[in-house]
Amino acid sequence: DAKTTQPTSMDCAEGRAANLPCNHSTISGNEYVYWYRQIHSQGPQYIIHGLKNNETNEMASLIITEDRKSSTLILPHATLRDTAVYYCIVRVAGTGNQFYFGTGTSLTVIP
Amino acid sequence: EAQVTQNPRYLITVTGKKLTVTCSQNMNHEYMSWYRQDPGLGLRQIYYSMNVEVTDKGDVPEGYKVSRKEKRNFPLILESPSPNQTSLYFCASSTAGAFREQYFGPGTRLTVT
Repeated sequence: DAKTTQPTSMDCAEGRAANLPCNHSTISGNEYVYWYRQIHSQGPQYIIHGLKNNETNEMASLIITEDRKSSTLILPHATLRDTAVYYCIVRVAGTGNQFYFGTGTSLTVIP
Repeated sequence: EAQVTQNPRYLITVTGKKLTVTCSQNMNHEYMSWYRQDPGLGLRQIYYSMNVEVTDKGDVPEGYKVSRKEKRNFPLILESPSPNQTSLYFCASSTAGAFREQYFGPGTRLTVT
């Protein structure tokens, strides 16, 4: 599975949109992009995933570039409870069941 | 309530003393997995299981064993723990189909002295 590159840390003002980038330049055509987050030392929590099209759910939006080499997770109105480490993962659906989390982006939402 | 449980949540042990960390899920998930988390290294996968009696190595399997005799349980066994296995351990499960979300347990903090 392709590996990802994320910034180590980011800050965001409370109430503003948080845009978390992820680079996955070696992604292949059948690999999905997933986002998870981990609040403090709790178990990671699934946020969203996508293949080609942009996706939105109650938590966030996922924007994938046309060439699929990068993506952005958007938290539209960040709250203090969104302070967490965010992981971007790429993997093949249905095969290659290893999951590579990496070190993620530590997002701090500032009051 | 759908959940993944791990026991114990905290454990301090000595080098060489065999231990087992249990993991159980009540969602009838086929896929289960173990991770360890260390500062600066993120989450790394130890072992995973696609279904009963089917297990495979992740990125860091050395020093660990697993078994999957029942669908709901996926214990992690450290036959001879060493200090470098001091870590925070997470168990996770999901339905079959790799695009499904994984549900994580609360974590087990293990210290080996």
